[in-house]
Amino acid sequence: DAGVIQSPRHEVTEMGQEVTLRCKPISGHNSLFWYRQTMMRGLELLIYFNNNVPIDDSGMPEDRFSAKMPNASFSTLKIQPSEPRDSAVYFCASNGGGLFTGELFFGEGSRLTVL
Amino acid sequence: KQEVTQIPAALSVPEGENLVLNCSFTDSAIYNLQWFRQDPGKGLTSLLLIQSSQREQTSGRLNASLDKSSGRSTLYIAASQPGDSATYLCAVRREDSGYSTLTFGKGTMLLVSP
Repeated sequence: DAGVIQSPRHEVTEMGQEVTLRCKPISGHNSLFWYRQTMMRGLELLIYFNNNVPIDDSGMPEDRFSAKMPNASFSTLKIQPSEPRDSAVYFCASNGGGLFTGELFFGEGSRLTVL
Repeated sequence: KQEVTQIPAALSVPEGENLVLNCSFTDSAIYNLQWFRQDPGKGLTSLLLIQSSQREQTSGRLNASLDKSSGRSTLYIAASQPGDSATYLCAVRREDSGYSTLTFGKGTMLLVSP
């Protein structure tokens, strides 16, 4: 099993540019989560999907952030336009087993730096 | 709102020591609790998952216990090694208005010196 795969691993961009982060969950997992990690705030849940449907996006900071899951094996998190305060590590995770009882597996993260 | 606290925030021990990391949560109506390890610049690696009906789980030198009624979990690491140096996070899963929520603590940064 390849685990949760994220790309790119590192992204450096300038303020105002569009950023797209990608995630491939573990095959067979039907829940996918996007988290953001910073030193100040720790891990924050941005959005999660169950069976490709967005369930809770209350953590998405503002309208500049959007996420899609067009099929069971792919999700994107887009920031447009990006700002320096968006600099963080963005993690994707997928859930094995039940939505409430399953085990969460994380990708290696995408480190975003907005200049 | 669920709050998860991990104590201590940082811990430094010599190799070979047994140690305990603590995790407490405010809402005991949880489905499960999961312990993770995070190495610098890496993602989170799942260590142990304890369902709400369980009291403990063991994997190698790691043992995690759960006391749901008191809102506490401990991660016991036996015979610590320098390779155990990492940040350890706990997370609790509960239901909130039909949503599955996972709340993380801020972690304990462990350093095991040779």
